[in-house]
Amino acid sequence: DAKTTQPPSMDCAEGRAANLPCNHSTISGNEYVYWYRQIHSQGPQYIIHGLKNNETNEMASLIITEDRKSSTLILPHATLRDTAVYYCIVRERETSGSRLTFGEGTQLTVNP
Amino acid sequence: EAQVTQNPRYLITVTGKKLTVTCSQNMNHEYMSWYRQDPGLGLRQIYYSMNVEVTDKGDVPEGYKVSRKEKRNFPLILESPSPNQTSLYFCASSFKWGAPYEQYFGPGTRLTVT
Repeated sequence: DAKTTQPPSMDCAEGRAANLPCNHSTISGNEYVYWYRQIHSQGPQYIIHGLKNNETNEMASLIITEDRKSSTLILPHATLRDTAVYYCIVRERETSGSRLTFGEGTQLTVNP
Repeated sequence: EAQVTQNPRYLITVTGKKLTVTCSQNMNHEYMSWYRQDPGLGLRQIYYSMNVEVTDKGDVPEGYKVSRKEKRNFPLILESPSPNQTSLYFCASSFKWGAPYEQYFGPGTRLTVT
């Protein structure tokens, strides 16, 4: 699976959009981009994933650049409960073992 | 409610005393997996199962056993726990293995071995 690079930390004001970047410059054509988050010591929570097109669900939006070398997770109206470590992961379709490789992630702190 | 449950949530035990951490999912998922999380090391996969009676080693299987006799359950067994198995453990499941299927995680089991 391709390696990802994320900033170690970000801050965001409550009610504002949080834009979390991820670089995956070595991504291959059959690799998906996934985002998970982990609120302190809780189980990681799936947020969203995409292959080529931008995606939106009830939690967030995922913007993938045309060359697929980077992406941005957008939380449109961040709340204090969105404070968590956010992980960007790329996964090859039908990877044997289906291991999720979590990197260091981005610690997002939402401030009142 | 669709969920992955783990029991117990917290456990303190002594070296060598066999223990089992249970994991159950109610989503009819084929794929299940165990991870451990340690400070500075992130999440590491212990074992996984692609379906009933099909299990395989992950990255750190030493000292652990698993079984998958039913689709919904995937217990993690520590035959002779040691202090280096003190960790936070997560069970996860997904509809099938691999992308594009997302994995759902349980709430975690914090294990301390003294």
